[in-house]
Amino acid sequence: DAKTTQPPSMDCAEGRAANLPCNHSTISGNEYVYWYRQIHSQGPQYIIHGLKNNETNEMASLIITEDRKSSTLILPHATLRDTAVYYCIVKGETSGSRLTFGEGTQLTVNP
Amino acid sequence: GAVVSQHPSWVICKSGTSVKIECRSLDFQATTMFWYRQFPKQSLMLMATSNEGSKATYEQGVEKDKFLINHASLTLSTLTVTSAHPEDSSFYICSARDPRGYQETQYFGPGTRLLVL
Repeated sequence: DAKTTQPPSMDCAEGRAANLPCNHSTISGNEYVYWYRQIHSQGPQYIIHGLKNNETNEMASLIITEDRKSSTLILPHATLRDTAVYYCIVKGETSGSRLTFGEGTQLTVNP
Repeated sequence: GAVVSQHPSWVICKSGTSVKIECRSLDFQATTMFWYRQFPKQSLMLMATSNEGSKATYEQGVEKDKFLINHASLTLSTLTVTSAHPEDSSFYICSARDPRGYQETQYFGPGTRLLVL
């Protein structure tokens, strides 16, 4: 699976959009980009995933660049409850269902 | 999203005892479940892949005789930490692969915090 690079931490004001970047320059054509988040002392929560098209659900939007070498997770109106570690994970068929977690980005939403 | 539960949510035990943790997929059948371990201020580390009706696949460095995994049904996997020692104290998290949808997604349980005295 391709390696991902994320900033270790980010801050965001409550009510503003939070844009979390992820670099995955070695991604291959059949690998998906997954985003999970982990609120302190809880299990990770699935947010969204995509292959090459932009995706949106009730939680967030995922913007994948045309060359697929990077992506951005967008939380449109961040709340204090969105404070968590956000993990960007690239997963392909060769890994089966295994998810490899990196260090993620600690997002802190400030009042 | 799909729901995965774990029981117990936390456990304290004496050194040398065995502890069993249950992971259940509540609204879907999971042929594959996963067990992770997370130490303080660290990321999740995959311990093993649990396959229904067959032996688990362990990651390198994980002792299969110490961490016994049983996946006897499509909705239940158990992790037994045998002869637990203080260094086994950690946050244990399971996940289950939901086969529905156009691309399988893993859903995680809330985790079990183990403290070995």
